[in-house]
Amino acid sequence: EAQVTQNPRYLITVTGKKLTVTCSQNMNHEYMSWYRQDPGLGLRQIYYSMNVEVTDKGDVPEGYKVSRKEKRNFPLILESPSPNQTSLYFCASRPGTGVGEQYFGPGTRLTVT
Amino acid sequence: EDQVTQSPEALRLQEGESSSLNCSYTVSGLRGLFWYRQDPGKGPEFLFTLYSAGEEKEKERLKATLTKKESFLHITAPKPEDSATYLCAVQNQGDFNKFYFGSGTKLNVKP
Repeated sequence: EAQVTQNPRYLITVTGKKLTVTCSQNMNHEYMSWYRQDPGLGLRQIYYSMNVEVTDKGDVPEGYKVSRKEKRNFPLILESPSPNQTSLYFCASRPGTGVGEQYFGPGTRLTVT
Repeated sequence: EDQVTQSPEALRLQEGESSSLNCSYTVSGLRGLFWYRQDPGKGPEFLFTLYSAGEEKEKERLKATLTKKESFLHITAPKPEDSATYLCAVQNQGDFNKFYFGSGTKLNVKP
């Protein structure tokens, strides 16, 4: 089954404790992206990747890091999480940079206390 | 700056009562406008892509239309299973790696 998977689905952590949210897709898509979703603000793009080793900032990249060492994986790293990063996070992929709709993962709900 | 505004924020309909959801956008050059459906606890699910003013697409009870300033998602004779949040997003012609989403319309269809 074609899908985007994220782990963990739920995470509660404390301020300053480094964490990684994994994202994997099995559709051989070149493009992957991370979003956060907050009430009243909609989905906001954090980072995206056009292909292996090629990443760029979205609208809200502060406090986040990403890497793309393999085509299928695009982890999101919070090196020193803060309470304002409490949010619902989605990973998405699409076939290429210019074409096609995005396929979204199931989401990761992160709480930073 | 690219911007997407959706209205209303919430919409309550009786089963069979047709209505429309609005997505107004400001973008320097539109490459594509996307509609997604999001169920509680799940990721957005793709519905339609529209590329140019005048374009229309249909799927079951849903029909999406596009003008130069806005898009409408028309829901004809909705059923309770159409209850969800509907999201609109735009892709800029100048930087089509970025997507801008509206905050969504939460639709509740009562039997």
